[in-house]
Amino acid sequence: NAGVTQTPKFQVLKTGQSMTLQCAQDMNHEYMSWYRQDPGMGLRLIHYSVGAGITDQGEVPNGYNVSRSTTEDFPLRLLSAAPSQTSVYFCASSYYIPGNTEAFFGQGTRLTVV
Amino acid sequence: KNEVEQSPQNLTAQEGEFITINCSYSVGISALHWLQQHPGGGIVSLFMLSSGKKKHGRLIATINIQEKHSSLHITASHPRDSAVYICAVSKLSNTGNQFYFGTGTSLTVIP
Repeated sequence: NAGVTQTPKFQVLKTGQSMTLQCAQDMNHEYMSWYRQDPGMGLRLIHYSVGAGITDQGEVPNGYNVSRSTTEDFPLRLLSAAPSQTSVYFCASSYYIPGNTEAFFGQGTRLTVV
Repeated sequence: KNEVEQSPQNLTAQEGEFITINCSYSVGISALHWLQQHPGGGIVSLFMLSSGKKKHGRLIATINIQEKHSSLHITASHPRDSAVYICAVSKLSNTGNQFYFGTGTSLTVIP
């Protein structure tokens, strides 16, 4: 059981380049989300999904796109990278049953935009 | 205003000390979570609480729903406990299972 697999672990981009951060989970969770983590700030929600074919914006969605074609995969696309997108990105999946919920995180992607 | 406030932001302790990290939240929640993040590492879940108290080894987490407050205690702290501890709350709505995160408490335990 791999949990949440996030790739790549590290990436350097030039301003204006595009890329996709991959996220896959094998726990059949409905809920998946992307966060960015910046110094002095809590994790901030970029986009999330409540199931295949359903996505919505979080707190800081500008400059990012997502899609959810399958339950397992939730890629995050940077359309035209900017230095302000330098951050550590985490993908998470979670489940909810009454009285119990837990989030599982990927290992993170450290992205630098130069 | 952040929905989740943690204190202290930074904490240095001598090995063996009893440590407390506090968390207050302002939204209605389904559950409260304590997470651990080692430097350069991923995030792992330590506890999920919806009421009362839980204990795993030297770690104890409590929650007071009425006061919207939780504490994470570490007994007999050890250098390997050095990490960032993050308080998060989850709230189920018709738009998904939303998580709100505190900014974390950076703990350093000195041998």
